[in-house]
Amino acid sequence: DTAVSQTPKYLVTQMGNDKSIKCEQNLGHDTMYWYKQDSKKFLKIMFSYNNKELIINETVPNRFSPKSPDKAHLNLHINSLELGDSAVYFCASIRGEGSEAFFGQGTRLTVV
Amino acid sequence: GENVEQHPSTLSVQEGDSAVIKCTYSDSASNYFPWYKQELGKRPQLIIDIRSNVGEKKDQRIAVTLNKTAKHFSLHITETQPEDSAVYFCAAGYKAAGNKLTFGGGTRVLVKP
Repeated sequence: DTAVSQTPKYLVTQMGNDKSIKCEQNLGHDTMYWYKQDSKKFLKIMFSYNNKELIINETVPNRFSPKSPDKAHLNLHINSLELGDSAVYFCASIRGEGSEAFFGQGTRLTVV
Repeated sequence: GENVEQHPSTLSVQEGDSAVIKCTYSDSASNYFPWYKQELGKRPQLIIDIRSNVGEKKDQRIAVTLNKTAKHFSLHITETQPEDSAVYFCAAGYKAAGNKLTFGGGTRVLVKP
């Protein structure tokens, strides 16, 4: 019944590896996001997709590549992981303008 | 782009007292202002929101005020309880920005019993 679900919940990996985080929402929302929450709890938007189309791409290293196979899924692939990529990554979705953003449970990525 | 500043970064209150968190935003086009609560190790969850055509909104012990002229909005929690302890985020957004929500830096609230 989970509205926005992301996997895995925890991810520990070595520097230089490539990893993916998956996100799915069953709310029928058109817009999905990836946010990064650093150790100081600051939530920063990375990407936004509307109906499979990229609409927001903040200043994010091109090692990060989002992919949206359909409007219910937004995955995040990260190449050549670095120590500074360690954070909690949240997927979120909204129905439309001025509506509640529903967050996934987060993926805690630790790069060692 | 939009910039949202939030104060204070930490707030300690005695149970039963009120807590107030203030945010300012920079983009006058923003018209949607939600507040999220994030408990330790959990996801952010919406607790209240306000739109630019409204100056104040209340939901039980929680209220939000918006001053569009000054570009600031505030969250008020009355009769605080230990379960109100969490990190609170304000945000601002509007459709032309791709419905992007820009978050403030968060306020860690601790309610002491």
